[in-house]
Formats: sequence, structure tokens, C-alpha cells
Amino acid sequence: DVKVTQSSRYLVKRTGEKVFLECVQDMDHENMFWYRQDPGLGLRLIYFSYDVKMKEKGDIPEGYSVSREKKERFSLILESASTNQTSMYLCASNKAGASYEQYFGPGTRLTVT
Amino acid sequence: RKEVEQDPGPFNVPEGATVAFNCTYSNSASQSFFWYRQDCRKEPKLLMSVYSSGNEDGRFTAQLNRASQYISLLIRDSKLSDSATYLCVVNRPGFQKLVFGTGTRLLVSP
Repeated sequence: DVKVTQSSRYLVKRTGEKVFLECVQDMDHENMFWYRQDPGLGLRLIYFSYDVKMKEKGDIPEGYSVSREKKERFSLILESASTNQTSMYLCASNKAGASYEQYFGPGTRLTVT
Repeated sequence: RKEVEQDPGPFNVPEGATVAFNCTYSNSASQSFFWYRQDCRKEPKLLMSVYSSGNEDGRFTAQLNRASQYISLLIRDSKLSDSATYLCVVNRPGFQKLVFGTGTRLLVSP
């Protein structure tokens, strides 16, 4: 059974803190993604990685960075959390190629106060 | 113009009804199309891929109209368990990325 796990379901952080969100997949997928989902805006791509140590900016990368040191793990980093980064963060993975299904983790609801 | 547009709904239908959702996409070069389902407070999951010839999976039928750049999802004999948000998803040509619509919410009532 395919599985994408995320380190936390709920997280509360203070403005200015550095925040790490971890994602692990056990399907040996090449591609991994970080999205945020906000009401009325849908899922928006933050960053994408197609291989270890490789990354590409998505549509809204400002304020975020990522790290992929191992194939199965993709981390999202908020260097200095701000209140407008309060959101649901979803990690996904798939095999190389856009025609393949993306599998999502359960999401992390981050609140920045 | 948004890359993928959907009517947010909600669509309120009784059990047993047939309901259809449409979605339009802006890039005529897109080649991959999907419907994902997202339950409240859960992650999106693939419902079905959409093929040029149209495809059916039980009570669900998906159609693609390339000329008009829209995708449809038809649900027959609606069940209470069909209540969810349905996301229209299209690939961004030249990239291994998908663009998600904001979703159409369906509420099926007894």
C-alpha cells in the first residue's frame, strides 16, 4: 500500500520562527511536491523536486526553501514564519512524468501566531 | 484567465440523482487530465484519469472536449458517500507539474 507521511498533523509556531515540515514516501518515487491549500485558492505548488538534491520553484516559492538529501524525504523550510503562511501544507509524490497519479500525505495544518 | 476553472458549488442533490460538473482549462497544449476527490479535512485522492475517448468507472463518467477545452464528470445514482469536493486537475505542458482547480463541492442528502 502506497504511503506518504508528514511529520505533524497540526503545528503552531510564532512569527519569526524557523519551521521544518518533513515528508517521507515509501514508493521509490522520483518526484516530490509541496503544496499549500487555502480556501478559495485551491492547491498551489510551492516547490517540486525531481531527484535527490534537485529542486524547482513552483508558483509561490517566496518565503520557503526545500531540501532533498534522500530520495524518500522532502523537507519544506519556512526560514522566518509569518502569519500569512498559516495554511494547510500537503506533500505529494509520483513517478517521473506528469501523467502519473500524485499520492498525497495527510497534510500539516500550520498556524503562525 | 485561470489555468483551471471550476464552479465552486455547492451542488446539493438528493440520493439517487445524477449530477454533472464541468471544468475549463486555458492551455490547449495540456495532455493529462484527472479528477481528484477530497473529503473534508483529508488529502486529495485520484478519482479517475480522463482520456480523449471518455471513460467510465462504475457510476462515474469522465469526458474530455479538447476543442472547447473542458472536462466533465458525471455521477449517476448519487450516494451519501459521494459528498466531497471534486478537483479538476490538468498538467502544465512542458513540466512535470499538475495544476489543480479550486474544486466543486457536492452535498448528497437523504
